[in-house]
Parts: sequence; structure tokens; C-alpha cells
Amino acid sequence: DSGVTQTPKHLITATGQRVTLRCSPRSGDLSVYWYQQSLDQGLQFLIQYYNGEERAKGNILERFSAQQFPDLHSELNLSSLELGDSALYFCASSVTLAGTGELFFGEGSRLTVL
Amino acid sequence: TQLLEQSPQFLSIQEGENLTVYCNSSSVFSSLQWYRQEPGEGPVLLVTVVTGGEVKKLKRLTFQFGDARKDSSLHITAAQPGDTGLYLCAGAIGNQFYFGTGTSLTVIP
Repeated sequence: DSGVTQTPKHLITATGQRVTLRCSPRSGDLSVYWYQQSLDQGLQFLIQYYNGEERAKGNILERFSAQQFPDLHSELNLSSLELGDSALYFCASSVTLAGTGELFFGEGSRLTVL
Repeated sequence: TQLLEQSPQFLSIQEGENLTVYCNSSSVFSSLQWYRQEPGEGPVLLVTVVTGGEVKKLKRLTFQFGDARKDSSLHITAAQPGDTGLYLCAGAIGNQFYFGTGTSLTVIP
């Protein structure tokens, strides 16, 4: 158990819909990262928050948005869903902002868009 | 496109064999990490290397960071079925981690 909690574990929805994925980081970790994992693209960095502020942005589509709340949990919002958005979405947390810290991953949220 | 390319993409070997997985990039990283991911779970950190040329050993696993900090390798000696999984390298630039394309290893008993 990494200490990172993601909900829901599985989500099936239709094209055009909107979903919200939730992440609770490990206790004490201020940094939250979101990654998308699909079969043909590997693990793609989406966005990072540190103590409530956005600190880095990767290949995140404009249809996607995220935020980190004062209690440090984070939500990833995916809207106008397309078939290609079907993937595993991982949240990871780290105690540091720097790139040498260990990332602790949740078990992921598997999104299927039909 | 991925910043880090891993090879091979798939590897199936017999128990007891040795193997090496490569992680290559044209970018320079401040640190390089290796993770292992099992089905239905998130990646778990195996090691972090930060100095060019650094070599770290973790039981039967040997990790090396290239001198120019652009590449890394993972060598497994006498592979066991428990080593089966997806191996991911991740390079750090600033406070971002960029993951490799992954190597799926299957060790057959």
C-alpha cells in the first residue's frame, strides 16, 4: 500500500461526457502528479501541483483540467470525452518538489469511453 | 513522442537467464529512476541514480547511469519469475519526471 488513494478504480462512460478523478496523496506529501497510461503511449506526464499551486504542465489537453485543494487532495477533470481518452490515469505524490524524490503511485483509475 | 526510449519493449526469458534493459535519451537528466509496475498496480520505485557513471546494486539488479546523464541500464542476473513486470525508467528535468516507454519482462519458470 503506497498510501496514495485514487477513486474511482473503474469508470465507464460515453463520448462527450465529463468525469472527475480524485486523488488523496500520502500524508505529508505536498506534491501531486497526474499521469496517463495507455498501451501505445506509455506513461505520459499531465500536470503537477505543489501545495495547491500548479508547478508544471505536460501533455495535458485543453479538455482536461486539474486542481489541488487546501487539504492537498487533487482532482483531474476530463470533459468532452473521446474514445482515445480511454486509459489508466495515475496520481502520484512526493514529499519534495525537486526531481530526486520518490514518487508514490496510487492504483490508478481505469477510464473506458464507449 | 517519449523523451526516453526503452529497449527492448518486450522480453521473455527462462528462469536463471541474465538480461539488460536500456533507457536512452538525447536529453540530460538531473536524476534517473527505475520503477517496476505489476498488473493492476501503480509503479513502485526500485532505485534513484543521480551522478553520471553511478552504479547501484540491489540484490540481483544492477543499475547504471550513463556518464553524460542521458541514458541508463538495468541488468538482472539469474532472473526469477518474481521479476516479471513492467520496468519503467524515469528521468528528472527540473521538478518534472518523464517516463520511458517501458519494458515488459516475463520470466518463465
